[in-house]
Amino acid sequence: QVTLKESGPVLVKPTETLTLTCTVSGFSLSNPKMAVSWIRQPPGKALEWLAYIFSNDEKSFTTSLKTRLTISKDTSKSQVVLTMTNIDPVDTATYYCARMTYSAGWFSHFDYWGRGTLVTVSS
Amino acid sequence: QSVLTQPPSASGTPGQRVTISCSGSSSNIGSNTVNWYQQFPGTAPKVLIYSNSQRPSGVPDRFSGSKSGTSASLAISWPQSEDEADYYCVAWDDSLNGPVFGGGTRLTVL
Repeated sequence: QVTLKESGPVLVKPTETLTLTCTVSGFSLSNPKMAVSWIRQPPGKALEWLAYIFSNDEKSFTTSLKTRLTISKDTSKSQVVLTMTNIDPVDTATYYCARMTYSAGWFSHFDYWGRGTLVTVSS
Repeated sequence: QSVLTQPPSASGTPGQRVTISCSGSSSNIGSNTVNWYQQFPGTAPKVLIYSNSQRPSGVPDRFSGSKSGTSASLAISWPQSEDEADYYCVAWDDSLNGPVFGGGTRLTVL
């Protein structure tokens, strides 16, 4: 059974660094046909992809947040960690991690999602 | 501003067929497959359609997807009240080296 679970702070102060952890089970982060993404959704707004990390450590970030994001994984712990620096109230959102599946080397879709974690940025 | 363009809302009656459009460009929809996700308030999105027109097991066949050029569509035949949700299209973007989302469409069943 594949599951993903996000964890991290509920409340963060402006200018601080946000660290979120996605703990996965039911698959290995070393599987070459899969990757893990972080996606966020501000209250009442659309989904926004943030970053992904592949089994070979290949990473990619959304252009607008590239300078503020880092992503890493610990395969032995089955965890993917996202950090976002210089957090701002506009970063208030539900943050999801999701598994990406690939077919014939090409991205197919997000087949499993975590339940999400709401992060509020406020002083 | 989302990279893929969707209408903010759509509506239909149970006797109709409702279509939600998703418009992109040559770097995303034009050269990659499209996925559709359904999201109910307070819950995570769920894949409805992948690879333009494939339905995961468990998704009713009243949901169908298609793609032509740089646009895609999600069709819902005989929409039910339980289909009232937000729908998002997603495609890989070769220029951005990542997936891009549409702005979402809220479906109302009248």
